[in-house]
Amino acid sequence: GENVEQHPSTLSVQEGDSAVIKCTYSDSASNYFPWYKQELGKGPQLIIDIRSNVGEKKDQRIAVTLNKTAKHFSLHITETQPEDSAVYFCAAGLGGTPLVFGKGTRLSVIA
Amino acid sequence: EAQVTQNPRYLITVTGKKLTVTCSQNMNHEYMSWYRQDPGLGLRQIYYSMNVEVTDKGDVPEGYKVSRKEKRNFPLILESPSPNQTSLYFCASSFGTGGVYEQYFGPGTRLTVT
Repeated sequence: GENVEQHPSTLSVQEGDSAVIKCTYSDSASNYFPWYKQELGKGPQLIIDIRSNVGEKKDQRIAVTLNKTAKHFSLHITETQPEDSAVYFCAAGLGGTPLVFGKGTRLSVIA
Repeated sequence: EAQVTQNPRYLITVTGKKLTVTCSQNMNHEYMSWYRQDPGLGLRQIYYSMNVEVTDKGDVPEGYKVSRKEKRNFPLILESPSPNQTSLYFCASSFGTGGVYEQYFGPGTRLTVT
């Protein structure tokens, strides 16, 4: 089955700097790669996703890149702000099977 | 408002006392799932359901039961809770078969078993 590895487990950045979180997956058939943000006391919420026919996707300050050959994908957050502080989860999925999540990255943005 | 609701939000119980955590969604989603979240272990899937009357084990199903008698509800049952089931539990739902669609998560249920 699918296995998703996520790094780093914790990340601290200064406000205004960029943050990058990386994930690798094992099943080359996976074709859906979402990123979730979990704020304190809440359930995870989708912030951006990418499908395997696309190499990069941007939404304002966040972007996701996908390298299917190497089986890895990354989340990039630019101009970080204190409200970006949260736990971020990557996941990989394939139609008909459940999403598999990484273990999460705790991002702290220091003002 | 489209949402997934869970009840209760907090629960403290004793070993062996049966409990049920309810989950309901109002989005007419086919797919529903239960996860537990523990420090350093991320989100681990307990059970999932592709549709009414269809349920499957996830990665950590031992000690849990589920049922899907109606599309909107997916309760999680702990027949005889043990301290190692102390955790934060999330219910989620999505369109289709779940693997390629956005999952909507509930607010979580923090369970403590003493």
